[in-house]
Amino acid sequence: KQEVTQIPAALSVPEGENLVLNCSFTDSAIYNLQWFRQDPGKGLTSLLLIQSSQREQTSGRLNASLDKSSGRSTLYIAASQPGDSATYLCAVRDWGNTPLVFGKGTRLSVIA
Amino acid sequence: ETGVTQTPRHLVMGMTNKKSLKCEQHLGHNAMYWYKQSAKKPLELMFVYNFKEQTENNSVPSRFSPECPNSSHLFLHLHTLQPEDSALYLCASSKDPAGDYGYTFGSGTRLTVV
Repeated sequence: KQEVTQIPAALSVPEGENLVLNCSFTDSAIYNLQWFRQDPGKGLTSLLLIQSSQREQTSGRLNASLDKSSGRSTLYIAASQPGDSATYLCAVRDWGNTPLVFGKGTRLSVIA
Repeated sequence: ETGVTQTPRHLVMGMTNKKSLKCEQHLGHNAMYWYKQSAKKPLELMFVYNFKEQTENNSVPSRFSPECPNSSHLFLHLHTLQPEDSALYLCASSKDPAGDYGYTFGSGTRLTVV
C-alpha cells in the first residue's frame, strides 16, 4: 500500500530564504506526482504536476523534482515571501485506476 | 477561483439533520471526487464518479450518500451524522479518471456536527 511522508511537518524561515520541502513515497512505481498548496481553511491549489517520465517541473519561483528510484520528490521555493506561507501537500498516483495518496503536508511560515 | 465551486462554504448541523453539499465544475472534466480532510490526517478519498457513474466507494458509512446527476455536478447528502464527521469536505475534478492532467480542487465546505 502506497504511503506518502512529508518532512518536516512545519517549517519557519525568514523572508528571502531559499527552502526545500521533502516528500517520500514507499512504492516507486508511480504514475505521477502533484504538489498542492492549501491556505488555512481553504481548498487545494495545484502547483506542479510531474509525470513519471519527467525529472522536474518549474513554475516561477517553484521547482519540483522527482527521483522515482529513491521514492523522493522535493519542492524548491526560491526567495521566499510571506505570501508563500501555507501548507504544502504532496500527492502521488500509482499506475492503474487508483486514487491520489496524500501526505500530511508541511506547514510553512515565512517571516517578514 | 479554481473552476470547482463548492457550496455552502460553512455548515453547522445537528446530528438529526439532513443537509446536502454541492459541487459544480464547468471545466469539461469527466471525473469528480469527494475527499474528507480531518485535523492532522491526510486527505481521505470518499467517492469517485467517472462519467456520472460511481466507480469507487472507499468504505464510507451510509450516512454519507453521494449523487452525480451529470458530469458537472456532484452532491453529498448527509443524514444522522456524528460529531467525528466534522471536517473539511473537498470536491475535486479531473479531465480523465486516470488523472493524467492532474486534479482541480474546490475551496471546500467546513462542516461542524453538533
